[in-house]
Amino acid sequence: DAKTTQPTSMDCAEGRAANLPCNHSTISGNEYVYWYRQIHSQGPQYIIHGLKNNETNEMASLIITEDRKSSTLILPHATLRDTAVYYCIVSYNSGYSTLTFGKGTMLLVSP
Amino acid sequence: DAGVTQSPTHLIKTRGQQVTLRCSPKSGHDTVSWYQQALGQGPQFIFQYYEEEERQRGNFPDRFSGHQFPNYSSELNVNALLLGDSALYLCASSLASAGNGYTFGSGTRLTVV
Repeated sequence: DAKTTQPTSMDCAEGRAANLPCNHSTISGNEYVYWYRQIHSQGPQYIIHGLKNNETNEMASLIITEDRKSSTLILPHATLRDTAVYYCIVSYNSGYSTLTFGKGTMLLVSP
Repeated sequence: DAGVTQSPTHLIKTRGQQVTLRCSPKSGHDTVSWYQQALGQGPQFIFQYYEEEERQRGNFPDRFSGHQFPNYSSELNVNALLLGDSALYLCASSLASAGNGYTFGSGTRLTVV
């Protein structure tokens, strides 16, 4: 079973920030938080990952609470092309760690 | 920079038949994982190959088998197809020594009739 809990769906207006929450209360000390997204009919796309510090890249920012039991993925200026299912996954930081997907959050960005 | 390539993109098989799906990993990656994604669900881990051996396996029956070749490409074989095997099959590659996330292919859509 997935070790994370996410809302089933969220809406966001184009140009606004999208904040996607994730709960992972059973995360262990060596596990990272990964975010992937899946646009309809495509494979999942890696977005960002982090251990305990906040992370930012060209796609998004990841905010992890101090107790590491929850995190938020932030898309600063959502576009229509950001409409996708977003998956929050807890995994070890290794190229051979498996990914356990839940059902994710369906983010709908509207004009 | 070529990403993960999967073939074919779509195929239709009859119940009881066998199918082989193929995957070429991203350049520089040495590990290949396979996932099954049923409609409306998240991907489910099938198995992972590294150094031409099955390294990890998810909760899938022995009808699902695989292979990795010396050039790191991989095949997924499913025998005695069931209607419930209809799904999107995703291949993901990674570098075993790194932790920068997986690169997924666009998948093969398998329909069993």
